[in-house]
Amino acid sequence: GAGVSQTPSNKVTEKGKYVELRCDPISGHTALYWYRQSLGQGPEFLIYFQGTGAADDSGLPNDRFFAVRPEGSVSTLKIQRTERGDSAVYLCASSSLAGDTEAFFGQGTRLTVV
Amino acid sequence: GENVEQHPSTLSVQEGDSAVIKCTYSDSASNYFPWYKQELGKRPQLIIDIRSNVGEKKDQRIAVTLNKTAKHFSLHITETQPEDSAVYFCGAGDSGTYKYIFGTGTRLKVLA
Repeated sequence: GAGVSQTPSNKVTEKGKYVELRCDPISGHTALYWYRQSLGQGPEFLIYFQGTGAADDSGLPNDRFFAVRPEGSVSTLKIQRTERGDSAVYLCASSSLAGDTEAFFGQGTRLTVV
Repeated sequence: GENVEQHPSTLSVQEGDSAVIKCTYSDSASNYFPWYKQELGKRPQLIIDIRSNVGEKKDQRIAVTLNKTAKHFSLHITETQPEDSAVYFCGAGDSGTYKYIFGTGTRLKVLA
């Protein structure tokens, strides 16, 4: 596709449930980032990948959060035992490692834990 | 760890006036500084960026200045218009690691 695509756009889940959020980056972009954003705030870094490996996962808040990118393209952010405090917009971004360092964002997944 | 601080958190200006948003960063390895605009319910969009070998960059009504010694950079919007109203956030990136950290955002309101 032409841009970064995230699915679903909205997700409502019950406290304690497991959720998966998907990110489809721009074709050929090696770097992929996950951020969490609260209303009116800047994106809070969670994790980023170079290729298939997590280059830095220091922003993941706890061990309930995990992300994978098995083939170096699509990534999935997984949240176990969701809590109400996990409610936020989860943004994905990708960038090229070919000297073009702009990060292109997806439209986000709004997660609501009830 | 790396940190980017952004001020102010909210800014209201009269249409036609200038707006300035300031950021500081902690990681001296940062060498790429983007600014994003995010309208309500939409994805962040890059509006201007600057690299560490440049002190200032301008694009029409938008300019960014960088003081690498002080680890400060600022966004300047002149002749503001109502459609400039949005949340703006700054970023600091390391082109060696391609990691980006963003500021906490500034909600700009341009009053007609």
